[in-house]
Amino acid sequence: NAGVTQTPKFRILKIGQSMTLQCTQDMNHNYMYWYRQDPGMGLKLIYYSVGAGITDKGEVPNGYNVSRSTTEDFPLRLELAAPSQTSVYFCASSYSLGRGEEQYFGPGTRLTVT
Amino acid sequence: SQKIEQNSEALNIQEGKTATLTCNYTNYSPAYLQWYRQDPGRGPVFLLLIRENEKEKRKERLKVTFDTTLKQSLFHITASQPADSATYLCALDMSTNAGKSTFGDGTTLTVKP
Repeated sequence: NAGVTQTPKFRILKIGQSMTLQCTQDMNHNYMYWYRQDPGMGLKLIYYSVGAGITDKGEVPNGYNVSRSTTEDFPLRLELAAPSQTSVYFCASSYSLGRGEEQYFGPGTRLTVT
Repeated sequence: SQKIEQNSEALNIQEGKTATLTCNYTNYSPAYLQWYRQDPGRGPVFLLLIRENEKEKRKERLKVTFDTTLKQSLFHITASQPADSATYLCALDMSTNAGKSTFGDGTTLTVKP
């Protein structure tokens, strides 16, 4: 199993541009998550999904959108990129309801907005 | 407001000693607490989970305690090795907020040979 994969690994965006961060998992996990991690800080939850077609906001959803059309894929869309969105983005998945289930993380996407 | 605090300073210890990392929380009632390891440039990796009704959990050289009265978890690495050098994150899950883990900012541990 590849686990959780993310593309791209690095990206530089200009202010106002848009992009989609891709996330795929091959573990047949129901739950998927997007986090951002700023330097020296912990992870902040952006959005999460409990299954195909169902998504919900996390702690910091503004400026982002998600969709979940399949169990495997959970893309994160940035519209009108701003410097405040410069961060490392991690996608994660877990098997079931998330009640203490361990999360499996991807390698991250380092995004710079200038 | 809700807050999670891990060791505010980086932790430097000598190889072979026991490293102890703390995770304190306020205004949470976590059902579960997890510890993750994160290496530079990598995603976090799950280490241990402890439930609210458990006092202690062990896995090889790792030990986690959970005191819901003190609102604190301690994470111990015994016989530490330079390979244990990393950032360690604690994460809280509340039963009323299933699926939404809240992470601390992490503690960076350096084990010197």
